[in-house]
Amino acid sequence: NAGVTQTPKFQVLKTGQSMTLQCAQDMNHNSMYWYRQDPGMGLRLIYYSASEGTTDKGEVPNGYNVSRLNKREFSLRLESAAPSQTSVYFCASSEYGVTGELFFGEGSRLTVL
Amino acid sequence: QKEVEQNSGPLSVPEGAIASLNCTYSDRGSQSFFWYRQYSGKSPELIMFIYSNGDKEDGRFTAQLNKASQYVSLLIRDSQPSDSATYLCAVSSGAGSYQLTFGKGTKLSVIP
Repeated sequence: NAGVTQTPKFQVLKTGQSMTLQCAQDMNHNSMYWYRQDPGMGLRLIYYSASEGTTDKGEVPNGYNVSRLNKREFSLRLESAAPSQTSVYFCASSEYGVTGELFFGEGSRLTVL
Repeated sequence: QKEVEQNSGPLSVPEGAIASLNCTYSDRGSQSFFWYRQYSGKSPELIMFIYSNGDKEDGRFTAQLNKASQYVSLLIRDSQPSDSATYLCAVSSGAGSYQLTFGKGTKLSVIP
């Protein structure tokens, strides 16, 4: 039972480099989310996809782009990484919206030097 | 800006005691309330949700909601060392919502 799978789990980047975080879920969920978690800041929503073919900005979208590749996959791209993007990133999915449970991936720890 | 406030802790309780975790929220339109548990270095997992005023019990956990006071709490009875974790309060506007606002979490330590 894989649930929500994120890759990579760890990544170190230099300022200005780009990278994509991959996320896939096998629960046939409609909605997917990207959060970042910083010490003292809690979980903050970056982008979400209500359903296949749609994406919307969350609370902290600047510096990120997303792609809902299909129903299973939702990727997060940093085009030009900045030290302020050092964080732990969590992908999550839910059957439909946030009235029910969010299922989180294991997280991806990103460090930007 | 919707806000969800929690005491950061740490909250220390002896094993077997009741742990009480509190959360307040700013948006009066909030309809759905969740408690997630996050062990150190792990991802959050849902332990309770509540939609209506009053109490909701699930095993050793009780969620309490008071919409008039914009207050939600989580009680953990017979606390165990395995309950030591950070507890995240989360709030949404309800049906049709895709944005869940999280508090910063309260770190609970259960002392054997």
